[in-house]
Amino acid sequence: DAKTTQPNSMESNEEEPVHLPCNHSTISGTDYIHWYRQLPSQGPEYVIHGLTSNVNNRMASLAIAEDRKSSTLILHRATLRDAAVYYCIHKSGTYKYIFGTGTRLKVLA
Amino acid sequence: EPEVTQTPSHQVTQMGQEVILRCVPISNHLYFYWYRQILGQKVEFLVSFYNNEISEKSEIFDDQFSVERPDGSNFTLKIRSTKLEDSAMYFCASSGGFAGELFFGEGSRLTVL
Repeated sequence: DAKTTQPNSMESNEEEPVHLPCNHSTISGTDYIHWYRQLPSQGPEYVIHGLTSNVNNRMASLAIAEDRKSSTLILHRATLRDAAVYYCIHKSGTYKYIFGTGTRLKVLA
Repeated sequence: EPEVTQTPSHQVTQMGQEVILRCVPISNHLYFYWYRQILGQKVEFLVSFYNNEISEKSEIFDDQFSVERPDGSNFTLKIRSTKLEDSAMYFCASSGGFAGELFFGEGSRLTVL
């Protein structure tokens, strides 16, 4: 199965940017990198995904390394509502996405 | 905004009983998934479903589990004879495209006594 590596936890101060790293050295050339987050007591929620170029949406930015073996999710201004477990995943097999243990983000007021 | 809906939100059952968890994916989506999350643990892939058949399944998805899309709108997960270790939150997800984002429901909590 596809394996991603993320730090277990990170902390950020409110209103400051957060950079959440992920290594995905087993990713194939055509697989997208997806980021999801899981707020307490909720289902996973899509954040962003990309293939090669950096991507932006209203929630976050995704910076993808040139060799695609790593990526960084950037929350430009963390809020207390961004406290969650963040997962980076990519396809393992044709129709299978495997979640790792993710990074638990704590946002300090 | 369209969403994936799951019922029931919580089900309590006795060990050995059959359970059916229901999901209504987003209407024009073609790819469907079930995941589960045991309390305090990570989200685990169970099965993916496309074109009216199982595409991939994990080792967890043994003969006790089955999925069905009975009427073109619902997507169900059946556990034939529940065990204590089946107690978990079960999440349904759907996707509109092959590499598109997954939209998850709020989950169904299953408690097996």
